Amino acid sequence: AQTVTQSQPEMSVQEAETVTLSCTYDTSENNYYLFWYKQPPSRQMILVIRQEAYKQQNATENRFSVNFQKAAKSFSLKISDSQLGDTAMYFCAFSGAGSYQLTFGKGTKLSVIP
Amino acid sequence: DAGVIQSPRHEVTEMGQEVTLRCKPISGHNSLFWYRQTMMRGLELLIYFNNNVPIDDSGMPEDRFSAKMPNASFSTLKIQPSEPRDSAVYFCASRHFNPPEQFFGPGTRLTVL
Repeated sequence: AQTVTQSQPEMSVQEAETVTLSCTYDTSENNYYLFWYKQPPSRQMILVIRQEAYKQQNATENRFSVNFQKAAKSFSLKISDSQLGDTAMYFCAFSGAGSYQLTFGKGTKLSVIP
Repeated sequence: DAGVIQSPRHEVTEMGQEVTLRCKPISGHNSLFWYRQTMMRGLELLIYFNNNVPIDDSGMPEDRFSAKMPNASFSTLKIQPSEPRDSAVYFCASRHFNPPEQFFGPGTRLTVL
């Protein structure tokens, strides 16, 4: 069974600064997908970014980028130029290729301080 | 695209009453998921449909919970009778087979008194 671990329950960052959220996972599969979801106080779960395990290039979406280290089974999220609207819970998630199931971490609560 | 639509957004009911939560997935998506989120247990997958057929309902807590998907554009999650411990936020999500990311609805916050 896959597991996803987010070791930072809470973090804070000053507005306009950069912050990195950590995620590690455990799997015996070679092909899989990794995701970061954002859940703001409105509670809507929003997909932030996706990474395919077979791609060596790290995914990037505007101010959000990942550092995917397949051998280390690490998948961190970097948020650049943090904005107040980035305040949210961030969940790391794993899906095996061909699997329907998403395995979520317990989340990291990020606060952006003005 | 309107995204995944859920109704109601909030539901307050009394113990013993029947509760029905509704979901409209994104058009063209062939998989639908129901999740429950609580502070204690986080996000839990309750049931998964593929092409309107329930594939895995092992997460449904007990017989009081039931889910249906009569067609590709509508699903319901019913709790009968409801209990205070059912209080949670219930999410519906949908996806294509590939890429596999799930898109979530806004959730229904259920409070059972």
